[in-house]
Amino acid sequence: KQEVTQIPAALSVPEGENLVLNCSFTDSAIYNLQWFRQDPGKGLTSLLLIQSSQREQTSGRLNASLDKSSGRSTLYIAASQPGDSATYLCAVGGATNKLIFGTGTLLAVQP
Amino acid sequence: DTAVSQTPKYLVTQMGNDKSIKCEQNLGHDTMYWYKQDSKKFLKIMFSYNNKELIINETVPNRFSPKSPDKAHLNLHINSLELGDSAVYFCASSPPGPRHNEQFFGPGTRLTVL
Repeated sequence: KQEVTQIPAALSVPEGENLVLNCSFTDSAIYNLQWFRQDPGKGLTSLLLIQSSQREQTSGRLNASLDKSSGRSTLYIAASQPGDSATYLCAVGGATNKLIFGTGTLLAVQP
Repeated sequence: DTAVSQTPKYLVTQMGNDKSIKCEQNLGHDTMYWYKQDSKKFLKIMFSYNNKELIINETVPNRFSPKSPDKAHLNLHINSLELGDSAVYFCASSPPGPRHNEQFFGPGTRLTVL
């Protein structure tokens, strides 16, 4: 049974810092991994999607990596801003597009 | 606006009632999903439909019945509501083709059962 864990559960950093969020999964037989952002009381916004054959994806200040063999993904946020404050969720995709979500990391970027 | 939309945004009801949540997407996607986010913010898939055909049916009480009248709509009907059904329900959709495993989420429906 696939289990997805995110560390840390919460993180507070000063504005301008670079930071790394971690995601680990127990079953390496995944089709893809997706990072989402969730703002309080809102839906999920897709940030990056990494297919199982890829090792990383980049979008602006965000970079996500995937190491299937070790069951890990990281989301790197460069030059963090207060607007980056949100909960970040990783989800691994299997057959039939079923997403298994992690426990989330609550990020607070202090101005 | 092209998006995944859900109605209502908030739903407060008494135990034992029957209620429905509606989801529509105008993105041209062919697969739609329902997820439940519990009080601890943990998201779990409930159902998915592809072109009106049920694909994923997780271990969900049969009081929950999804209905897909066409590939742009996926509604969720809940019978005999219980306190434990209180949660935020998210609808999502994904496109056909090479990006078929990228899911786009609606804003959620917060259900409170009293």
